Amino acid sequence: RKEVEQDPGPFNVPEGATVAFNCTYSNSASQSFFWYRQDCRKEPKLLMSVYSSGNEDGRFTAQLNRASQYISLLIRDSKLSDSATYLCVVLRGGGADGLTFGKGTHLIIQP
Amino acid sequence: DTAVSQTPKYLVTQMGNDKSIKCEQNLGHDTMYWYKQDSKKFLKIMFSYNNKELIINETVPNRFSPKSPDKAHLNLHINSLELGDSAVYFCASSHLKGPSYEQYFGPGTRLTVT
Repeated sequence: RKEVEQDPGPFNVPEGATVAFNCTYSNSASQSFFWYRQDCRKEPKLLMSVYSSGNEDGRFTAQLNRASQYISLLIRDSKLSDSATYLCVVLRGGGADGLTFGKGTHLIIQP
Repeated sequence: DTAVSQTPKYLVTQMGNDKSIKCEQNLGHDTMYWYKQDSKKFLKIMFSYNNKELIINETVPNRFSPKSPDKAHLNLHINSLELGDSAVYFCASSHLKGPSYEQYFGPGTRLTVT
């Protein structure tokens, strides 16, 4: 089983719609969770950290379910500028551990 | 005032050559990383350094040697380049101790080996 699994998509979604991505992780000892966004030929950029209590940042909501080892990202009122690859990311330990990335979900927002 | 910077941005070289990529961060972080993103876009950790000390060395050929002169810099030297080394290499940095372990990435170095 892969460490972090995501549906690669692409998800083609009309502007203004709500879209949700899911991801599962295999290591139950994982400590920290993130969503990163990567545009074509650019570096990954931190979108948000994911907490057990769930967290929201504007149109973006992230949820973590430790029991099911499942992370989600919800984007409301999607914009054309949301088109990107969304990377589900897990930190196994703390400190200097490297991030474990999923392969990403490609989102295309259509006008 | 770029937070994590890398040079060069593009690197085209022939098989067998030796090359270096430099990384600098001005975020005050004490931990730095190298990641490789291959042609299938999969990002994988290569190395991490904390205060100039190697912490993680994933299964990477020993032709790759990271060097950290100080905690704000982490360079990557690659000997005897091979075709399979062609990829985008990203540097990143973070704090060692929490509560936030968020890592911030440089713009990447696109290496092409011909």
